[in-house]
Amino acid sequence: GENVEQHPSTLSVQEGDSAVIKCTYSDSASNYFPWYKQELGKRPQLIIDIRSNVGEKKDQRIAVTLNKTAKHFSLHITETQPEDSAVYFCALHSGGYQKVTFGTGTKLQVIP
Amino acid sequence: GAGVSQSPRYKVAKRGQDVALRCDPISGHVSLFWYQQALGQGPEFLTYFQNEAQLDKSGLPSDRFFAERPEGSVSTLKIQRTQQEDSAVYLCASSLEATGNEQFFGPGTRLTVL
Repeated sequence: GENVEQHPSTLSVQEGDSAVIKCTYSDSASNYFPWYKQELGKRPQLIIDIRSNVGEKKDQRIAVTLNKTAKHFSLHITETQPEDSAVYFCALHSGGYQKVTFGTGTKLQVIP
Repeated sequence: GAGVSQSPRYKVAKRGQDVALRCDPISGHVSLFWYQQALGQGPEFLTYFQNEAQLDKSGLPSDRFFAERPEGSVSTLKIQRTQQEDSAVYLCASSLEATGNEQFFGPGTRLTVL
């Protein structure tokens, strides 16, 4: 099956600093790359996504970049706030239908 | 409108018991997914439905796991003869179309097998 590697597994930043999380994958047929935020005991929620025909997408303090040649995509959070503290998962969709593979997660801690 | 709902939210079963977990997707959503999320891990794909058709069940861990969506809306995940390793949060998600777009997750069912 599809393999998705996510790094780092934990990340601590000072409030106001930036955070970057990276995922690499192997299936060149992957075509949709969402990022989810999951707070403790809560459901995953989509925060941003990107499709394979786009290289970068930004939504306020959050941006995602995709490098299809190198098969990696990254989440960038700027001006981090304590409420950004959560576990973040990358995911990708591949195949003719929606086979979805999640990364292993990054626990982000924003220190006030 | 209402989001994805799941019931029960918590389920405790004795080893060997059968359990049934229900998912109510967003009305009109074509795609429905089941995932298993162990503590500290990412969701692991179990199975995918497009309307009533189960197009992929490659993630089901064993033949003790069975899922259905007979009318293309509500789905049930059934686990027979539960084992301790089945303890996890079972997440359901739905999306509007059949290919690559946002999934909306339910709150999950936390299954504990004693």
